[in-house]
Amino acid sequence: NAGVTQTPKFQVLKTGQSMTLQCAQDMNHEYMSWYRQDPGMGLRLIHYSVGAGITDQGEVPNGYNVSRSTTEDFPLRLLSAAPSQTSVYFCASHHSGGVITEAFFGQGTRLTVV
Amino acid sequence: AQSVTQLDSQVPVFEEAPVELRCNYSSSVSVYLFWYVQYPNQGLQLLLKYLSGSTLVESINGFEAEFNKSQTSFHLRKPSVHISDTAEYFCAVSDRGTGNQFYFGTGTSLTVIP
Repeated sequence: NAGVTQTPKFQVLKTGQSMTLQCAQDMNHEYMSWYRQDPGMGLRLIHYSVGAGITDQGEVPNGYNVSRSTTEDFPLRLLSAAPSQTSVYFCASHHSGGVITEAFFGQGTRLTVV
Repeated sequence: AQSVTQLDSQVPVFEEAPVELRCNYSSSVSVYLFWYVQYPNQGLQLLLKYLSGSTLVESINGFEAEFNKSQTSFHLRKPSVHISDTAEYFCAVSDRGTGNQFYFGTGTSLTVIP
């Protein structure tokens, strides 16, 4: 199993540019999430989805959009990049409901906005 | 919603000394508990988990954690640390009441000193 795959691993953007961070999982997990990790702040939830067609906001959603058209994919879109969005982004997935599993993480995307 | 507190942001310890990384959470109703480890420039990996049964759980590399329901704690311990244990450690709680949504602490940076 590939698990959770994130692309790209590194990205540099100019202020105002847009981009999409890709996330795919092959474990048939219902629940997928995007986090950002900043020094001293741990993991902060951006958006999450409990199944195809269902998404919701997390703790820090401003400036980001998501969609979930399939169980496998959960892309994160930056609409107009700002320096405050410089961070490391992680996608995670796990089962929801009756099946209990740990959350599985991708290797992360290191984004720099200049 | 759950909150997860890791009181120690940085823990320096000498090689072969014991260590305890503390984790407290806000509610013990229908929760599952996890410790993740993050090595530099990598994603989060599961270290150990408590889902049910024995309150003492162990990892393959000598870490252990004990679920204490009355104190709402899940502290991580190792009797003798190695240089290779230097990493960031995150405590996480999965709340059954919110579809197994994960809540993370802010992390503890463990530095093992030779």
